[in-house]
Amino acid sequence: EVQLVESGGGLIQPGGSLRLSCAASGFTVSSNNINWVRQAPGKGLEWVSVIYSGGSTYYADSVKGRFTISRDNSKNTLDLQMNTLRAEDTAMYYCAKSAGGSYAFDYWGQGTLVTVSS
Amino acid sequence: EIVMTQSPATLSVSPGERATLSCRASQSVSSNLAWYQQKPGQAPRLLIYGASTRATGIPARFSGSGSATEFTLTISSLQSEDFAIYYCQQYHNWWTFGQGTKVEIK
Repeated sequence: EVQLVESGGGLIQPGGSLRLSCAASGFTVSSNNINWVRQAPGKGLEWVSVIYSGGSTYYADSVKGRFTISRDNSKNTLDLQMNTLRAEDTAMYYCAKSAGGSYAFDYWGQGTLVTVSS
Repeated sequence: EIVMTQSPATLSVSPGERATLSCRASQSVSSNLAWYQQKPGQAPRLLIYGASTRATGIPARFSGSGSATEFTLTISSLQSEDFAIYYCQQYHNWWTFGQGTKVEIK
């Protein structure tokens, strides 16, 4: 069974850093494209970042230069390092797997909440 | 950036009735369009990809249609568990989502 479990969220002050993790089971992260998607409280969905199976990484303009996506193939996990956090980064962060043969997101984790506030 | 616009923002429907949700792209996305359902406190769930292909385990009452810039999600006979927010997403050029349509009980 495919599962994604996020962790690492919490309350952080503006300008601070936080590292989110996504533990995958039921599939191999290195063979799939994995994304981070966020949702501000009461708002819609925003794509944040992707790491392709080949290792290439890409970011939304809103986080470029501040966030870094990476994976640990030995642990079958995915990370999102978030630096220079702003109030507008406050959101639920989901990791989501791209469907094979498509770039839609077929499996999602339950999310981890990041709150940026002083 | 491709902007996705959903309408209406809120749709009031009685159980058993048909619901029709619309999604428009600011430029052609071919058939690279997905629909998701999200219930309060839950992650989104993939319903439709490729504009019209149901994801695994999705009931046949959900159907998608359209191409290029105009897309529709139809729920043929609303069940109690279908009241939720629905998002369209294009994956033709990176990924962007519509702002969502809330389907509520009339």
